[in-house]
Amino acid sequence: AQSVTQLDSQVPVFEEAPVELRCNYSSSVSVYLFWYVQYPNQGLQLLLKYLSGSTLVKGINGFEAEFNKSQTSFHLRKPSVHISDTAEYFCAVTHHTGNQFYFGTGTSLTVIP
Amino acid sequence: NAGVTQTPKFRVLKTGQSMTLLCAQDMNHEYMYWYRQDPGMGLRLIHYSVGEGTTAKGEVPDGYNVSRLKKQNFLLGLESAAPSQTSVYFCASSYTSRRGTEAFFGQGTRLTVV
Repeated sequence: AQSVTQLDSQVPVFEEAPVELRCNYSSSVSVYLFWYVQYPNQGLQLLLKYLSGSTLVKGINGFEAEFNKSQTSFHLRKPSVHISDTAEYFCAVTHHTGNQFYFGTGTSLTVIP
Repeated sequence: NAGVTQTPKFRVLKTGQSMTLLCAQDMNHEYMYWYRQDPGMGLRLIHYSVGEGTTAKGEVPDGYNVSRLKKQNFLLGLESAAPSQTSVYFCASSYTSRRGTEAFFGQGTRLTVV
């Protein structure tokens, strides 16, 4: 079985400050990892994904994440946030031969002017 | 391409009423999913389908039924709505290939059961 833990339910951060949203997963098999973003009253859209290769993955809007297999983590980072980054962020995992996506409970990022 | 389209976007039901949520995707994806989103609980899988004519239960299937008669459509039914089914429902579809996978989401259906 797989599971995803997002350690912070709410993260307030000042505009232009750096941010890290934490995600840990548990799985006994090889996995693919994802970060999705949800703006108010909208669906989820893909921010970035790790499938294989380089453990540092770059996504849209200046976000990046690093896959750490030994720590089973996939933390999301941005060096300087904007007001428009205020949203809900979800970490997700699926395994290589599976067809179900497992989501964390989400982290609400609020950027303060 | 429209991607994943859900109808309706909003609905209010009385307890005991029934309704069907429609999900349509135009990306020729094999896999389709229904999730519900509740505050503090993330997205929980209700049912999913790995191809036309097949469905399977997810994490929270009770009170819901699904059908996948056509590859592009995935219907979610509530036979007798309950207030506990008040939620935002998301449909998604995904592909798989040797190079990986990705899920695409609809805009959601906000359902209130009174």
